[in-house]
Amino acid sequence: QKEVEQDPGPLSVPEGAIVSLNCTYSNSAFQYFMWYRQYSRKGPELLMYTYSSGNKEDGRFTAQVDKSSKYISLFIRDSQPSDSATYLCAGLGQNFVFGPGTRLSVLP
Amino acid sequence: EAEVAQSPRYKITEKSQAVAFWCDPISGHATLYWYRQILGQGPELLVQFQDESVVDDSQLPKDRFSAERLKGVDSTLKIQPAELGDSAMYLCASRQTDEQYFGPGTRLTVT
Repeated sequence: QKEVEQDPGPLSVPEGAIVSLNCTYSNSAFQYFMWYRQYSRKGPELLMYTYSSGNKEDGRFTAQVDKSSKYISLFIRDSQPSDSATYLCAGLGQNFVFGPGTRLSVLP
Repeated sequence: EAEVAQSPRYKITEKSQAVAFWCDPISGHATLYWYRQILGQGPELLVQFQDESVVDDSQLPKDRFSAERLKGVDSTLKIQPAELGDSAMYLCASRQTDEQYFGPGTRLTVT
């Protein structure tokens, strides 16, 4: 079992939809959780990071962590075609461990 | 805005040749990472530096890969000899507190 798992997609949604991206993890030592956005042939870009269970909001993005079920989510409101990218979740224990990413397409 | 710099952005090399990648982290970031990312997968750690010291190189194939950060600032990752299976994106990242920032990566193709 991999330490961080994600559905690789692809996930296609119409413009304006609410997008829900999810990860599960198995390592109880993870203290911090991150979401990265990666456009094709580019490096990952840090979107959000959270420490505790609960929600953290930044503009159209909300990150949610549930440590009891080892489940993390990223919600994107009013999705735009420019949100089309691969979204990577990661946990930080001793080091950063990444999921495989979910490929998202927002269709105009 | 400060960024992690990497060069070259793209590299094509023949198998058995040597190849080197360079990274300049965000100024003041003591922790530097090299990752390898295969298409369709997340980044996987190759080596971690704290200043000029290697903290973790357990996943670095040391028979062919080497990494250094001599003055604790910029870093070089070398592959010699390159193999077909080394084709991937090589990402450098630097870290301050718990925030890690990536460079644009070097896409390596081994023919």
